[in-house]
Formats: sequence, C-alpha cells, structure tokens
Amino acid sequence: QQQVKQSPQSLIVQKGGISIINCAYENTAFDYFPWYQQFPGKGPALLIAIRPDVSEKKEGRFTISFNKSAKQFSLHIMDSQPGDSATYFCAASRSGNKLVFGAGTILRVKS
Amino acid sequence: EAGVAQSPRYKIIEKRQSVAFWCNPISGHATLYWYQQILGQGPKLLIQFQNNGVVDDSQLPKDRFSAERLKGVDSTLKIQPAKLEDSAVYLCASSFGRVNEKLFFGSGTQLSVL
Repeated sequence: QQQVKQSPQSLIVQKGGISIINCAYENTAFDYFPWYQQFPGKGPALLIAIRPDVSEKKEGRFTISFNKSAKQFSLHIMDSQPGDSATYFCAASRSGNKLVFGAGTILRVKS
Repeated sequence: EAGVAQSPRYKIIEKRQSVAFWCNPISGHATLYWYQQILGQGPKLLIQFQNNGVVDDSQLPKDRFSAERLKGVDSTLKIQPAKLEDSAVYLCASSFGRVNEKLFFGSGTQLSVL
C-alpha cells in the first residue's frame, strides 16, 4: 500500500517537445505529491509539488496534473530543453510522514 | 546559502569492513534525513532526525547500520559490517518547517562494497 509506481523508465523527447511522466499510487491517505529532479552526481532537487485539493499546478514550463479518482498524477514538461535531461522521481507522503519515491524516469532531450 | 554538505564523495571497501559517512545540513534546518539510493531505484529513507531525536528509523537495518546527530546539527551514518548489497549512494537531506516537505539533498556518498 506504500508503493508509488512510475512510468516510463526512460523517455527520449525532441527539443521543444512535451515530456510526460506518470505516477500511480494506492494509498488514498497520501496528501502530498512532489516531483524531484536529479542530475548525475547530484542529489535530487524539489521541482514542483501538489496537494489533492487541486487538479493542476503550473510553475514555468513544469505542470503537475492530479487525478484523485484514478489515483494518478503526472509531470508535464513543456518546450523540453536539453538542460532538462535528468532523472525525475515522483513521490508521495501522508500527513508529514516519510516520502515514498517512485523508481525514477530517465529523460533525455535531443537537440 | 550553503547547501547540504556530505563526505566522503566516494568510498570503496571490502565486505565485512566498516564505513562512516558525514553530513552537515543547511544551517537552521531542524530535520535531517539519511536516504539510501540503490542504482536504478528511488531514494529510500533510512532514518529521520528532528533536532537530535530519532523520528523514524523503521527502515534502518539496525543490526549493521547506526546513525547519530549530536547537538542537533551534523550527523554520521555508520555501517558495520558492510555487505555487498549495501553498495549504493547514501544521501543526506535536511528541511525547515513542515516535515518531509521541501527536502534539500546533498550530493551523496557513493559506496562500493567489494
């Protein structure tokens, strides 16, 4: 019940295209859903986060879409750039308890 | 603002040896976390401190792993004895304010157990 399943494992997108990464969860008590970005040799960095009281949150080129009934949330990267090439992790937590991370998606943006 | 500092950056040891990792969180961050990241997987929480008290160590293999956070600032994570399956990146993170939200991670220590 604590798992967060992330897909795809890897993704190749052309520069200027839209990158979409999906996550699904089972625990309906989860109330915080962040996305982290990790570059090689670095620790993850918080990108954007959402709570279940809204269906979408946008920050610059990054958007989280949240579907509470389907227990799914996704990250959309608009106008993808080579500098966006990194590993992306979704995560979830309940009431301030520990974050449960997905397995990660390796994104490569081709120039 | 200085980030989360970790050392060493890399460590190679033989199985059954011991190893220690050090972390200095961002100044003023009361909560400190140690995560284990195995290649191809997401980070997994090992232990969480609030100031110098343990909040969650449910996934820490206590027969071989130990951690302390003296004076509520920097922290050390120790493995003794190490096993092959301990090969991973050990990430330290800290946060201010709401727990388990907006974590700031260090660059990690990459451990190889041979």
